[in-house]
Amino acid sequence: DIQMTQSPASVSASVGDRVTITCRASQSISSWLAWYQQKPGKVPNLLIYAASTLQSGVPPRFSGSGSGTDFTLTISSLEPEDFATYYCQQAISFPLTFGGGTKVEIK
Amino acid sequence: EVQLVESGGSVVRPGRSLRLSCAASGFTFDDYGMSWVRQAPGKGLEWVSGISGNGHITGYVDSVKGRFTVSRDNAKSSLYLQMDSLRVEDTALYYCARSLSFYHDHWGQGTLVTVSS
Repeated sequence: DIQMTQSPASVSASVGDRVTITCRASQSISSWLAWYQQKPGKVPNLLIYAASTLQSGVPPRFSGSGSGTDFTLTISSLEPEDFATYYCQQAISFPLTFGGGTKVEIK
Repeated sequence: EVQLVESGGSVVRPGRSLRLSCAASGFTFDDYGMSWVRQAPGKGLEWVSGISGNGHITGYVDSVKGRFTVSRDNAKSSLYLQMDSLRVEDTALYYCARSLSFYHDHWGQGTLVTVSS
């Protein structure tokens, strides 16, 4: 199975800050990676797929990059509604696997 | 509008069975793969099972192989998860999710499964 490791587990940031979250796969997954946002008590929301393609309706302050084993999600300027937990997920093979999550908290 | 509505969650004893259902609407159901993803209380997301649009390809996380069975009825636009030999560690909120190339672009609100003696 492909293991997905996210870092950091949590980050404290202020509105307007640039935030970068990293996801590492235990083997190459090419660009078969998605990022999701989940707010407390809410359903996960797809932000980015194929490592760097923005899902329809997602603000352009979110961006994704990487290929192979190393990926990043960047929020260019944090907005109040961005405080949430973010998950990466590999989509290259079964079983699909998620990273452990990164909680973005208010500083 | 895409809608996914799960049902069937309940409180059950260890070793018992449960069948979850997901009713889909607002899209051509058999054009999409579907997944079940669960989230234990206070924990992260865990993919449980998936099935291709025509039902011919299925997959499971190792911890449920041999105990859970995913299926779909395209005529009824419905997804199912038969859960046998349930364990305490299966306790979670179970989401049904639409899958395009195994990216999950729409999710239901979830149905809660609690396994407890």
